[in-house]
Amino acid sequence: GNSVTQMEGPVTLSEEAFLTINCTYTATGYPSLFWYVQYPGEGLQLLLKATKADDKGSNKGFEATYRKETTSFHLEKGSVQVSDSAVYFCALILIQGAQKLVFGQGTRLTINP
Amino acid sequence: GAVVSQHPSRVICKSGTSVKIECRSLDFQATTMFWYRQFPKQSLMLMATSNEGSKATYEQGVEKDKFLINHASLTLSTLTVTSAHPEDSSFYICSARVFGSSGNTIYFGEGSWLTVV
Repeated sequence: GNSVTQMEGPVTLSEEAFLTINCTYTATGYPSLFWYVQYPGEGLQLLLKATKADDKGSNKGFEATYRKETTSFHLEKGSVQVSDSAVYFCALILIQGAQKLVFGQGTRLTINP
Repeated sequence: GAVVSQHPSRVICKSGTSVKIECRSLDFQATTMFWYRQFPKQSLMLMATSNEGSKATYEQGVEKDKFLINHASLTLSTLTVTSAHPEDSSFYICSARVFGSSGNTIYFGEGSWLTVV
């Protein structure tokens, strides 16, 4: 089946630290990959996406590269800020079939000043 | 990116009453929308896929007579929680799929907090 596995949280870092949140997937087809961010009490916002192997999605200093050989889409940021504190969800959608998003369990990130 | 709006953002209703949540695509047409439920500190649970002009497709375990979904136009889907009970209190989020040349993307609404008292 199709699934997404994220690094377990919560993750706590100091401001300006380097961030990596691991995400791996299994898919029966060829998926598009996404990272969404959820700030407290709010809905989900699309952070970045990649639609084919070796694509790099980037936004607001965050990056993730679609690695087909390792079935991974790890989220990275070189220098985090307190405002990055949120829950981050990795997700995939298959190009074929029902095209429903499959989510990881979410990783709660807290950045301390 | 595309904009999806939900209304109301917060609602409190009495046990036994019904409450409707709207999900609108503001700058695009959405033939397909999705409704999720999220419990505190958990991931999103897909409840149903809402298809414009046809019946919604419900996920296993979701009561279709309790969670009524209507997708009467290309920009509006509604979720009605009927005969609400306190255990229906939750965060409900809708999303809409946008077709693009580089693949499909799903955008989410802001979410609606439902409290049943």
